[in-house]
Amino acid sequence: GAVVSQHPSRVICKSGTSVKIECRSLDFQATTMFWYRQFPKKSLMLMATSNEGSKATYEQGVEKDKFLINHASLTLSTLTVTSAHPEDSSFYICSPREARTDTQYFGPGTRLTVL
Amino acid sequence: QKEVEQNSGPLSVPEGAIASLNCTYSDRGSQSFFWYRQYSGKSPELIMFIYSNGDKEDGRFTAQLNKASQYVSLLIRDSQPSDSATYLCARALGSQGNLIFGKGTKLSVKP
Repeated sequence: GAVVSQHPSRVICKSGTSVKIECRSLDFQATTMFWYRQFPKKSLMLMATSNEGSKATYEQGVEKDKFLINHASLTLSTLTVTSAHPEDSSFYICSPREARTDTQYFGPGTRLTVL
Repeated sequence: QKEVEQNSGPLSVPEGAIASLNCTYSDRGSQSFFWYRQYSGKSPELIMFIYSNGDKEDGRFTAQLNKASQYVSLLIRDSQPSDSATYLCARALGSQGNLIFGKGTKLSVKP
């Protein structure tokens, strides 16, 4: 159980384009979804928290208009990096929290490279 | 920001030995603690969680929690080279709290 999928696993794009990352909890319902970012050799940094059907809450320093989060259902959340720039290149990881046990799991991550 | 502190390592142990990973936290309100393992280039995977003082065992892993001293540890018995990874300690405030992660301890198990 507790299978999380994230798509795409890797994306390379040009500066200025938008990238959409999709996260699905395949065998459980997630009332809360966390999105993290991790730069090389650095710790996980929480970007935002979203509850199903509600607007996301962003951490300090994370631009809500740049990182659009949609948590439309208990099994699907998306993160869109708008007008990506090279400094947005990072490893983005979704983390759904299982409603039944309050346990937080992680998706396999999306490695974004912006040229 | 409520801190979670871990020694970054690297911690090097020989194959078959016990690896001991430690974590301290500053917020006494923390109620639940988690250990994740992260291989290089991969996302974290949950190893175990602990809520109550004392020990919790799962296979080769034992988590130990001491709320009075504000530390939580992870013991890995019979360490294997495949255990070589970064181990992340995280704490949450209550069942609905966000996880706050430490920076992780890099473990290297030498054959």
